[in-house]
Amino acid sequence: DTAVSQTPKYLVTQMGNDKSIKCEQNLGHDTMYWYKQDSKKFLKIMFSYNNKELIINETVPNRFSPKSPDKAHLNLHINSLELGDSAVYFCASSTSGHDQQYFGPGTRLTVT
Amino acid sequence: GDSVTQMEGPVTLSEEAFLTINCTYTATGYPSLFWYVQYPGEGLQLLLKATKADDKGSNKGFEATYRKETTSFHLEKGSVQVSDSAVYFCALINQAGTALIFGKGTTLSVSS
Repeated sequence: DTAVSQTPKYLVTQMGNDKSIKCEQNLGHDTMYWYKQDSKKFLKIMFSYNNKELIINETVPNRFSPKSPDKAHLNLHINSLELGDSAVYFCASSTSGHDQQYFGPGTRLTVT
Repeated sequence: GDSVTQMEGPVTLSEEAFLTINCTYTATGYPSLFWYVQYPGEGLQLLLKATKADDKGSNKGFEATYRKETTSFHLEKGSVQVSDSAVYFCALINQAGTALIFGKGTTLSVSS
């Protein structure tokens, strides 16, 4: 069974569109995250979320918003897509903030 | 703020060579330290971890020791294989427990 899954794996879209990436974990974890990996492979936190608190990296544009319908899901919504949003987006989860994180397979977003 | 510095790549080795990838960190307190590996086209997998000073993490022949005095967590393997070709990331958990802080990644290429 896949521990952390993301859909879609690839997403190609045009500038100005709105899109979503879904993330689900079946590990029973309390905390979920979104990371962005740029073209140079650098990984940076975007959001962390548990059922009580959303922590937003202040450098993330407000066009990005996480939505959690339940503890097992943390979806990423992106409005008005820009060329610079092209990247690989990884979802992750952990039992608590200080434990190891389990990563999904990533979603490669290409904005044209 | 917290940061991780790891040696720039790419690192190119012949099969059975000895591998060292240097990693140093700057952080408040004594964070948990991790090495993650990303194989081509895949997500991030935890390779090993250490949660306190002098701990040694090990997995698949890789080792790293948490050195508080030198704020380092260098990755080593005695004999690399072609299948070890991947990008290796050193990371720490920030003090708030809300994010992994990653180094820039080191690409390892092993030839037979």
